[in-house]
Amino acid sequence: GQQLNQSPQSMFIQEGEDVSMNCTSSSIFNTWLWYKQDPGEGPVLLIALYKAGELTSNGRLTAQFGITRKDSFLNISASIPSDVGIYFCAGQLRISYGKLTFGQGTILTVHP
Amino acid sequence: EAQVTQNPRYLITVTGKKLTVTCSQNMNHEYMSWYRQDPGLGLRQIYYSMNVEVTDKGDVPEGYKVSRKEKRNFPLILESPSPNQTSLYFCASSGASGGVFYEQYFGPGTRLTVT
Repeated sequence: GQQLNQSPQSMFIQEGEDVSMNCTSSSIFNTWLWYKQDPGEGPVLLIALYKAGELTSNGRLTAQFGITRKDSFLNISASIPSDVGIYFCAGQLRISYGKLTFGQGTILTVHP
Repeated sequence: EAQVTQNPRYLITVTGKKLTVTCSQNMNHEYMSWYRQDPGLGLRQIYYSMNVEVTDKGDVPEGYKVSRKEKRNFPLILESPSPNQTSLYFCASSGASGGVFYEQYFGPGTRLTVT
């Protein structure tokens, strides 16, 4: 099946720093999705991207759909302790939109 | 309140003993899906359903069955569980239009241990 590589695997940052993470794919996707998972909870959808080149913000979060349609980026500005968690990317093809492929996740730790 | 419920939340069982994990949503969503989460592997899709009586395989369907007889329910069935199915399982429900998710909710997870 399709493979998604998400990096970095983990990040340890100080409160107030900006964070960047990305996902790359061996195949093209029509939609990129970004999720956050808090400890002991299910993932929560943060941002959805539907067009190549699209840049979308949700508060301090900004995500971009790569021009090649094989990658996506998530940035978090001015991190705060509650940003701690696991961030996942996922790719989706329009033709079979029920099928989602997830990255391995980025574990974010924020030191106060 | 919009929610996805899963039962049980925790289950320890033995190899070969059939089990069912239930999933129910109250949002009238057409799309539902099951995932398993394992350390270092992220979430992997097991099965998904686009509507009642319409199901399809995800990336890791072997050893699992599903059914979608009603819109609100999407049970995951392990006919003969094996230790490699020890994992954290999530059910998800999504509202979609024209191939686009306009909202998505995950359940709280079911931690399954097969000995």
